[in-house]
Amino acid sequence: GESVGLHLPTLSVQEGDNSIINCAYSNSASDYFIWYKQESGKGPQFIIDIRSNMDKRQGQRVTVLLNKTVKHLSLQIAATQPGDSAVYFCAENKESDYKLSFGAGTTVTVRA
Amino acid sequence: DTGVSQNPRHKITKRGQNVTFRCDPISEHNRLYWYRQTLGQGPEFLTYFQNEAQLEKSRLLSDRFSAERPKGSFSTLEIQRTEQGDSAMYLCASGRQANTEAFFGQGTRLTVV
Repeated sequence: GESVGLHLPTLSVQEGDNSIINCAYSNSASDYFIWYKQESGKGPQFIIDIRSNMDKRQGQRVTVLLNKTVKHLSLQIAATQPGDSAVYFCAENKESDYKLSFGAGTTVTVRA
Repeated sequence: DTGVSQNPRHKITKRGQNVTFRCDPISEHNRLYWYRQTLGQGPEFLTYFQNEAQLEKSRLLSDRFSAERPKGSFSTLEIQRTEQGDSAMYLCASGRQANTEAFFGQGTRLTVV
């Protein structure tokens, strides 16, 4: 079936280092891939999205890479800060559909 | 604060009781979604409204669940005859047409005892 999943459930990062969070997906028909951040007790917060016909997109301190050959998505966070500690979810979406399909999430912990 | 408001934030109910949750989306958003999230998992889609029309319902939404968005603004999600397996975080999100960015509320955490 269709699924979006993450490689590792947890990631510990030293403050100031770069973080890389990975996600594997199986639905080749997805039009968009999106990263969300969820802090404890809060709803998911949109970080960045990438259209399926792109390979890379940059935002503020974040870069999303899409490798359609191996169906792999990654989120890179530059100069990780304590405020980046959260659970990160990748999600996929088709333009003909309305819903987001989320993976299980990676918990990122930033060490001081 | 994303601008999407959900009430109540927490609800504890006894098994068999009915509960109703409310979501107030961002005012200019015509899309409204309900998701359910259990501990350690990503949100799972429940249902979607475009304006007042409910366009899709997940198979997760059993007959005990009903959602409404009567005037295309706020929405309610009702669960009848709650079961312990209904315990979860219920998230509401809203968005504009043809835009992948969905803004989530802080959720309603339901505990069925």
